[in-house]
Amino acid sequence: AQSVTQLDSQVPVFEEAPVELRCNYSSSVSVYLFWYVQYPNQGLQLLLKYLSGSTLVKGINGFEAEFNKSQTSFHLRKPSVHISDTAEYFCAVLGGGTGFQKLVFGTGTRLLVSP
Amino acid sequence: DAGITQSPRHKVTETGTPVTLRCHQTENHRYMYWYRQDPGHGLRLIHYSYGVKDTDKGEVSDGYSVSRSKTEDFLLTLESATSSQTSVYFCATHREAGELFFGEGSRLTVL
Repeated sequence: AQSVTQLDSQVPVFEEAPVELRCNYSSSVSVYLFWYVQYPNQGLQLLLKYLSGSTLVKGINGFEAEFNKSQTSFHLRKPSVHISDTAEYFCAVLGGGTGFQKLVFGTGTRLLVSP
Repeated sequence: DAGITQSPRHKVTETGTPVTLRCHQTENHRYMYWYRQDPGHGLRLIHYSYGVKDTDKGEVSDGYSVSRSKTEDFLLTLESATSSQTSVYFCATHREAGELFFGEGSRLTVL
């Protein structure tokens, strides 16, 4: 079964600084990986996804993530954050097997951007 | 957006009362899901549906039931609400590999 570990529950950062949100997964089969963002009092929306191909994935709002199979990681990065990036970020994994596959979420990382 | 509407958005109820949350989608997506979100737990799957009248349990299904009588509606019922079911509930639909579209959530408080 798949599982996801988000190593930081909260990451404080100053505006215009770079940020990395860490995500590690475990799975015995090939996987698809995702990052979702949740702004206050809203649902989740997809930031980016890795299905196959290039290990560097670019998403919306200037975010990118790199799939590292040997380290079973899928860390999210942004070179310069804005106040508006303050939100909760969820890493998720979907098994690559046949039939219905459940999307498993990490516990989330709250990004706090201050001026 | 996938046109997902959840109702009610906020509800306060008392222990032991039945509660039904409704999810309505306009995209004709086959798969629909109910998650609950709690601090420190992320999102946990309660039930899911892979077609009309086809549903199955997720990881935290105890105390919940679901029904899907038509493609666009997926109902989540708490037969007898308990305080441990105080949470934010999200409905989601599925279009392609892993890309879930979420509603805006229903905040339930059980006193």
